[in-house]
Amino acid sequence: AQKITQTQPGMFVQEKEAVTLDCTYDTSDPSYGLFWYKQPSSGEMIFLIYQGSYDQQNATEGRYSLNFQKARKSANLVISASQLGDSAMYFCAMREGVGAQKLVFGQGTRLTINP
Amino acid sequence: GAVVSQHPSRVICKSGTSVKIECRSLDFQATTMFWYRQFPKQSLMLMATSNEGSKATYEQGVEKDKFLINHASLTLSTLTVTSAHPEDSSFYICSAILPRTGGAGDTQYFGPGTRLTVL
Repeated sequence: AQKITQTQPGMFVQEKEAVTLDCTYDTSDPSYGLFWYKQPSSGEMIFLIYQGSYDQQNATEGRYSLNFQKARKSANLVISASQLGDSAMYFCAMREGVGAQKLVFGQGTRLTINP
Repeated sequence: GAVVSQHPSRVICKSGTSVKIECRSLDFQATTMFWYRQFPKQSLMLMATSNEGSKATYEQGVEKDKFLINHASLTLSTLTVTSAHPEDSSFYICSAILPRTGGAGDTQYFGPGTRLTVL
């Protein structure tokens, strides 16, 4: 079974609009961390935001926020006021268990911002 | 954020040759580094976990004799693709954990990747 599911292969959004990228996860471990990365066409993986399973509040980093719904096992990334430079692949990832090191990635969502 | 470098960024080689890719953590010490492979339009696939001073842990299906990993210091891990063939052509990305808590929240920072083309 997929540990991380990103159901949107591609998204097209008008510049300055907000966009939500979906991510659902599957784990039975109470301790886990959820990450979002951005991969532009250059290939580098850029860390955006992190949410811990025990965090009481949704994580925010500038224009990025994470809509964490623990009971639904979802961790959607919200980008506010999208910009042309936000066009990229976005990956959701999870690390599960205390002391765990491996990240498991979803299949990614290609976001295109239209002018 | 922490900086991870990778060298070379792009390499083209002939079939049968070996290629070495270096991954360095520039501003922190990384006891654990990771090597990923990414095919076009696909997600990252973990190949192996590299631990400083010990043998790497390979994921199922990854040939350890073909993909040699050495983590000789706290800031350097190398991946050597031995006797490369065209099917080894791919985008290889390394990452390193910035150790803060030792828990699930420690962030992995990625290098810029190496595009390998085997002719």
